[in-house]
Amino acid sequence: DVKVTQSSRYLVKRTGEKVFLECVQDMDHENMFWYRQDPGLGLRLIYFSYDVKMKEKGDIPEGYSVSREKKERFSLILESASTNQTSMYLCASRGQNQETQYFGPGTRLLVL
Amino acid sequence: QKEVEQDPGPLSVPEGAIVSLNCTYSNSAFQYFMWYRQYSRKGPELLMYTYSSGNKEDGRFTAQVDKSSKYISLFIRDSQPSDSATYLCAMSADAGNNRKLIWGLGTSLAVNP
Repeated sequence: DVKVTQSSRYLVKRTGEKVFLECVQDMDHENMFWYRQDPGLGLRLIYFSYDVKMKEKGDIPEGYSVSREKKERFSLILESASTNQTSMYLCASRGQNQETQYFGPGTRLLVL
Repeated sequence: QKEVEQDPGPLSVPEGAIVSLNCTYSNSAFQYFMWYRQYSRKGPELLMYTYSSGNKEDGRFTAQVDKSSKYISLFIRDSQPSDSATYLCAMSADAGNNRKLIWGLGTSLAVNP
């Protein structure tokens, strides 16, 4: 079974703090994704990575950066958290030439 | 107009009912169609995957794709309270490794005992 884990289930941060969200997958998948999910807006892709050290912007990359130093780990960084980044953050991974994305349990981030 | 439209509901049905969930889309290039189920406070999990047109059945679940109408459906037979979740449709145009999934907003379903 594919397992995607995220470092925290719940996180509370202050405006202006630097926030790190970590995601680890154990299936040697090449592709990893970060989404945020908000009521009425659905799932929106922030960044994805198709290989170590490779990244591409998704639909809403502003205010975020990512890091993929190892194949199994994909980090999302909020350089200076703002209240409009309060959201549910979901990480996913997918194998090469596969359709299925496997999701982690999500991190619910509250920025005060 | 969004590329993928999905009625967010909520949809409330009695246990045992047949449930029909739908998405419409505008991009005729979409060929890969998926339904994900998301329980409250969990990540989505793949429920059904269909390539191109036609039907696919898995237990109580049937996925249908009508490319001519740009319409996909998920049917749940003999619905159970454990089916209460949000159902998201997702689709993509090609099989290239950099492809992105385009997501519907999700339909919230409650199956009442």
